[in-house]
Amino acid sequence: GAGVSQSPSNKVTEKGKDVELRCDPISGHTALYWYRQSLGQGLEFLIYFQGNSAPDKSGLPSDRFSAERTGGSVSTLTIQRTQQEDSAVYLCASSFRSGGTSTDTQYFGPGTRLTVL
Amino acid sequence: GQQLNQSPQSMFIQEGEDVSMNCTSSSIFNTWLWYKQDPGEGPVLLIALYKAGELTSNGRLTAQFGITRKDSFLNISASIPSDVGIYFCAATNGHKLSFGAGTTVTVRA
Repeated sequence: GAGVSQSPSNKVTEKGKDVELRCDPISGHTALYWYRQSLGQGLEFLIYFQGNSAPDKSGLPSDRFSAERTGGSVSTLTIQRTQQEDSAVYLCASSFRSGGTSTDTQYFGPGTRLTVL
Repeated sequence: GQQLNQSPQSMFIQEGEDVSMNCTSSSIFNTWLWYKQDPGEGPVLLIALYKAGELTSNGRLTAQFGITRKDSFLNISASIPSDVGIYFCAATNGHKLSFGAGTTVTVRA
């Protein structure tokens, strides 16, 4: 079946350039999450969308990072003026989350490996 | 940053051995989860635990949610070669998952 998809799978960019990473969640999933995984580390929460709004942006590391979600579906994570420390795997997850439920299962995409030279 | 302390960091297994790993936290969580990540893939959920003291099995996997709600362990019985990979614990009180740093399981030559 169709899972969470992300594109590109790999992105190499030069320091100072902007990058856009895309996430297509599972159809019908209302919640979408972005995480970052540095080499040899666990995942670090970045941002959470419920529908098109982002009630929790607390994990975004700086104002160079932003994300949007349109139509309650596709999301784009944008990193402006990339730095070498931005190099990591960026993972997207989605879940069917209705208001008031305590916990839902998050399904992860394969990630985008970003390398900033 | 990460709030979960996962150990061991790595382990070597021989086929047929049992494997154990655990995770602790300084904070209370309402839900604990265990994921496995293969190279080039996203994490895949293995087991979810929703009640303190809960012991849950999924095939050869068994996990427990600690009674204090600050810890969890995962056991893999009778390991097989496809068990190699990185195992992550995660915990949440709502939408945001906090992750451990992972346990890398490798087959001993």
